[in-house]
Amino acid sequence: GAVVSQHPSRVICKSGTSVKIECRSLDFQATTMFWYRQFPKQSLMLMATSNEGSKATYEQGVEKDKFLINHASLTLSTLTVTSAHPEDSSFYICSARTGPANYGYTFGSGTRLTVV
Amino acid sequence: AQSVTQLDSHVSVSEGTPVLLRCNYSSSYSPSLFWYVQHPNKGLQLLLKYTSAATLVKGINGFEAEFKKSETSFHLTKPSAHMSDAAEYFCVVSESFGNEKLTFGTGTRLTIIP
Repeated sequence: GAVVSQHPSRVICKSGTSVKIECRSLDFQATTMFWYRQFPKQSLMLMATSNEGSKATYEQGVEKDKFLINHASLTLSTLTVTSAHPEDSSFYICSARTGPANYGYTFGSGTRLTVV
Repeated sequence: AQSVTQLDSHVSVSEGTPVLLRCNYSSSYSPSLFWYVQHPNKGLQLLLKYTSAATLVKGINGFEAEFKKSETSFHLTKPSAHMSDAAEYFCVVSESFGNEKLTFGTGTRLTIIP
């Protein structure tokens, strides 16, 4: 079945540095990928929709300059957390649509970001 | 606009007894509905989905859900709980026409008592 690989699974960085998270579709082409953030014991909140070859669409309240999304190929989308602060510590999950609209979505295994 | 309400934040059942996780939805159009499971520090795994075909949907690991339009519900059930079912479960809705945004419920934590 469709697999989305997310890397790294866990990262610790210092305040003020940037961190890049990769999301790859391994056996299918993903023209659209989604980035979510999940706070402890809470649900997933959509941050942005990433479209191959074009600018990402950000949800209201998400800082575009802080959470840089690049979708340069049909199999790779990246999320870069710039100038990270402790409040950016969270669980980030990507997903990709695996077929026609509403057919289904495959999720990556998530990245636990801790900013110290 | 679409929304999802998971009626229970935490459900505990004994191993071998039935599981019921409740979900109500709101949607302006014909919705697609999903149940996902998340184990600690892991991504989400699709259990089952409803996309306007049969109203009783069978998923993996013995789970099933029934779409009831009159009640705007999509409850998840399993006849006999197993220890490995302990996890967080999310009910998710997506509208069918041009909107592929997923809206997640707040989640239900399922605990299995040995």
